[in-house]
Amino acid sequence: NAGVMQNPRHLVRRRGQEARLRCSPMKGHSHVYWYRQLPEEGLKFMVYLQKENIIDESGMPKERFSAEFPKEGPSILRIQQVVRGDSAAYFCASSDGTGLGYTFGSGTRLTVV
Amino acid sequence: KNEVEQSPQNLTAQEGEFITINCSYSVGISALHWLQQHPGGGIVSLFMLSSGKKKHGRLIATINIQEKHSSLHITASHPRDSAVYICAVTPNEKLTFGTGTRLTIIP
Repeated sequence: NAGVMQNPRHLVRRRGQEARLRCSPMKGHSHVYWYRQLPEEGLKFMVYLQKENIIDESGMPKERFSAEFPKEGPSILRIQQVVRGDSAAYFCASSDGTGLGYTFGSGTRLTVV
Repeated sequence: KNEVEQSPQNLTAQEGEFITINCSYSVGISALHWLQQHPGGGIVSLFMLSSGKKKHGRLIATINIQEKHSSLHITASHPRDSAVYICAVTPNEKLTFGTGTRLTIIP
């Protein structure tokens, strides 16, 4: 029973390219959350999704960032036209929605050069 | 003012010492989480609390809902406990995090 799977673990992109980060939730979990950790800063909420629905995207930057959680397949966090300030660790977590447990993935470390 | 405050921000101790990390929050919550993050590593969920006390090995977590305060204790600390410990609360579905406590245990 694998936990939350994130890939890739490390991603290097040049400025202006697109970054796609994937998250497969834990089996039985239908709620997915994306968090960002900027260098030397704490974790910040980005977006909360259930299957095919964005529930709360109050933490997402207004431009260039989007997220989806399709009926089939992993959740995707997409960053278009990346800039150096997007360099961070992006963590995905999943839950079953009961509030009784959260499981985190290992994170994707994005470096924009 | 942050909704979740942790203290201390940094803590260095000798191996074997009893460690306490504190967390105070200012919002109503359904649960409080203690998380551990090693340098460059992933996040591990240590505890989820909604009341009382939980123990796992050398780790103990307590919460006082009335005072909006939680503590994480480590008994017989070991260098492998060196990590950042993060308190997080769920006032709604999403987590709100403290800034973390960086713990260093010296052999």
